Amino acid sequence: QVQLQESGPGLVQPSQTLSLTCTVSGASISSGVYYWTWIRQLPGKGLEWTGYIDDSGTPYYNPSLKSRLTISLDTSKNQFSLNLKSVTAADTAVYYCARSQRGYSGFSDHWGQGTLVTVSS
Amino acid sequence: SVLTQPPSVSGAPGQRVTISCTGSSSNIGAYYDVHWYQQFPGTAPKLLIYTNNNRPSGVPDRFSGSKSGTSASLAIAGLQAEDEADYYCQSYDTALRVLVFGGGTKLTVL
Repeated sequence: QVQLQESGPGLVQPSQTLSLTCTVSGASISSGVYYWTWIRQLPGKGLEWTGYIDDSGTPYYNPSLKSRLTISLDTSKNQFSLNLKSVTAADTAVYYCARSQRGYSGFSDHWGQGTLVTVSS
Repeated sequence: SVLTQPPSVSGAPGQRVTISCTGSSSNIGAYYDVHWYQQFPGTAPKLLIYTNNNRPSGVPDRFSGSKSGTSASLAIAGLQAEDEADYYCQSYDTALRVLVFGGGTKLTVL
């Protein structure tokens, strides 16, 4: 079965770069059928789409984060990554990786368990 | 949120409840699909309804979705204690060029 697992530091200092990796098992990120997605949930709040990447490595970013965000693929490791630079406390959130159907409003049918990232000195 | 949901709904066991998701002409009204997720505290969201009114394998048929105009709804029939969770709708907004979620609705089973 398809499984996704986030990994990365749980604490990041303000103005630094937040880096997370999602390891996918049970599916190939090179398959061409899906988008590989990052979604975050601010504490006690709703869900926010950060962006996704397709199998060719083309990213699609939330315009509100675009200037700070990079999403990339590592097909050799079946992983995809998120890098968010110049973070502030407002970036403190649970970050989820997910597999999404292609299309503008593609649904996410498999999710990682999520990882809490706190931005604090 | 671009998609508006009631912050909370409640119902007694066995009752039927609906959760609305109100959008606009740049998202739901522009014929973009609506999906629904269920989230329990401390866990990842789970896909509940996809493409407006389809249930993934394993989701009970007590859950149903509909869409009309600029709104969508999730209905839960025969309410059970285990349905107590947060529910989110999702679509796409062509004006903002972003995938959007509703603010979430907390369902309480009385």
